[in-house]
Amino acid sequence: EVQLVESGGGLVQPGGSLRLSCAASGFTFSPFWMHWVRQGPGKGLVWVSRINSDGSSTNYADSVKGRFTISRDNAKNTLYLQINSLRAEDTAVYYCTREDFWAFDIWGQGTMVTVSS
Amino acid sequence: QSALTQPPSASGSPGQSVTISCTGTSSDVGGYNHVSWYQQHPGKAPKLMISEVSKRPSGVPDRFSGSKSGNTASLTVSGLQAEDEADYYCSSSAGSHNFVFGTGTKVTVL
Repeated sequence: EVQLVESGGGLVQPGGSLRLSCAASGFTFSPFWMHWVRQGPGKGLVWVSRINSDGSSTNYADSVKGRFTISRDNAKNTLYLQINSLRAEDTAVYYCTREDFWAFDIWGQGTMVTVSS
Repeated sequence: QSALTQPPSASGSPGQSVTISCTGTSSDVGGYNHVSWYQQHPGKAPKLMISEVSKRPSGVPDRFSGSKSGNTASLTVSGLQAEDEADYYCSSSAGSHNFVFGTGTKVTVL
């Protein structure tokens, strides 16, 4: 079965850090560009970051640039998102998703990040 | 990186059609045929319904169709069914594999 499974979310204080992981299975992970998308409580989807197939190129939404770092380990079929200097507005469900022909065809179930003191 | 503009809500009776618009700029929707649409039920992950403006992935009913004119894309759901009640989001490439999502539309089946 083709799937993405996120982990690593939780409750963290403002200014704290977390590392999210996304384990891919059921397909060949390495050729695909991968993305993180988040959704605040009761809010819409927001694109966060992307990484190319070999990890040599990354980009970020302006709201997270300088605080978030996307990476991948193709040998472990895993995508990561290191999130630092967390703010209340970063509270959201974080989804990893696979890009195929400029669309997101596979999504994980999401992992919740709550930033609160 | 401003969100694409969608109407907050749309509705229709079973069997009717509903069309959702998605307005961007020449830097995203108007610049690429990379518009996609996603259906999201409460508490669930989004599901791809339309890619590359008008292509339906395998398993998506042909009641769902997409189109684009200039900086505005549209999703039409024909023959509305109860299970179509959900939130719908558009997305567009904005160059270099960067993306932007729409503000989302809640579709209600009356």
